[in-house]
Amino acid sequence: EAQVTQNPRYLITVTGKKLTVTCSQNMNHEYMSWYRQDPGLGLRQIYYSMNVEVTDKGDVPEGYKVSRKEKRNFPLILESPSPNQTSLYFCASSSRQAYNEQFFGPGTRLTVL
Amino acid sequence: AQSVSQHNHHVILSEAASLELGCNYSYGGTVNLFWYVQYPGQHLQLLLKYFSGDPLVKGIKGFEAEFIKNKFSFNLRKPSVQWSDTAEYFCAVNALVRSQGNLIFGKGTKLSVKP
Repeated sequence: EAQVTQNPRYLITVTGKKLTVTCSQNMNHEYMSWYRQDPGLGLRQIYYSMNVEVTDKGDVPEGYKVSRKEKRNFPLILESPSPNQTSLYFCASSSRQAYNEQFFGPGTRLTVL
Repeated sequence: AQSVSQHNHHVILSEAASLELGCNYSYGGTVNLFWYVQYPGQHLQLLLKYFSGDPLVKGIKGFEAEFIKNKFSFNLRKPSVQWSDTAEYFCAVNALVRSQGNLIFGKGTKLSVKP
């Protein structure tokens, strides 16, 4: 089954404790993105990647890092999480031919205390 | 900077009522336009898209949207809503001059359909 998977689905952590949210897709997609969703703000793009070893900042990249060492994986790293990063995070992927038709993962709900 | 505006934060309708959700964007060049739907507790799913050609596009579940270029709008419509359409709807835009893959989303419109 074609899908985007994220782990963990739920995470409660404390300020300053480094964490990684994994994202993996099995559709051989070139493009992958991370979004955060906050009430009243919709989805805002954090980072995106057009292919292996190619990443670029989205609209709200501060406090986040990403890497794209393999085509299928696009982990989101919070080196020193803060409470304002409490949010619902979505990973998405799309093919180069239809790069705007993004397939979304199930979401990761992160709480930073 | 580009932006996407969705006019209504929360819309409440009875079953069988007609639906129109507004979406305006602020970029004057060539754009790709999308509507996504998020059912309660689920991830986003693509409802319909416009790339070029016929400005009236049809999507899944009886939804359609019309691209009106001179109004910078891409409103979502459905003639008769069902209780199962209760969800949050997001309009999204990609301005093709920007880096590929960078979608700008509106803040979303919650639709509640009363049985």
